[in-house]
Amino acid sequence: GESVGLHLPTLSVQEGDNSIINCAYSNSASDYFIWYKQESGKGPQFIIDIRSNMDKRQGQRVTVLLNKTVKHLSLQIAATQPGDSAVYFCAEGFNFGNEKLTFGTGTRLTIIP
Amino acid sequence: GAVVSQHPSWVICKSGTSVKIECRSLDFQATTMFWYRQFPKQSLMLMATSNEGSKATYEQGVEKDKFLINHASLTLSTLTVTSAHPEDSSFYICSAMYNSPLHFGNGTRLTVT
Repeated sequence: GESVGLHLPTLSVQEGDNSIINCAYSNSASDYFIWYKQESGKGPQFIIDIRSNMDKRQGQRVTVLLNKTVKHLSLQIAATQPGDSAVYFCAEGFNFGNEKLTFGTGTRLTIIP
Repeated sequence: GAVVSQHPSWVICKSGTSVKIECRSLDFQATTMFWYRQFPKQSLMLMATSNEGSKATYEQGVEKDKFLINHASLTLSTLTVTSAHPEDSSFYICSAMYNSPLHFGNGTRLTVT
């Protein structure tokens, strides 16, 4: 079936450096994409989202890029901090987020002090 | 705003017993809530969509008679794991729809002994 996947299961980045987490999706009908951060023992925390009519969206220290041609999504975190260490999930959905989300496999980001 | 609360945060039960998990939207009304399950080091898997005032919609492979969902009010959905077995031990997370994105609770760690 169709799925949302990630290229790298783990990523270690030096504190202060930028990090990029990648995600591949296969359902071309998805029109909404979202990144969540999950710390150990907690629920997912919203980071940033993007609709399919956009290819880039920026937040505070984070940027999401969407390439619909190759069905690729990325999360860039600038000037990483120890608190950024967590598992990051991408998710895809329909109807601009008003329906259920399908989650990718997750990437564990570790910030090295 | 848009806080989702889950209770309990963790529970241990004996095999064969039933466990109820509550999901509440604290500062908004949610006609739709979602229940996810997450095994260690894995992604979130959608179990069912809970709709206020109507029957839940279950994902393929999820037994509706085992995972009973009740969404009796606009701020509360409950998931009851009936006749729990050790293989039901997992992290159960609910989410509620509010003007997208999905807002998640902090999960319930269920351990069946």
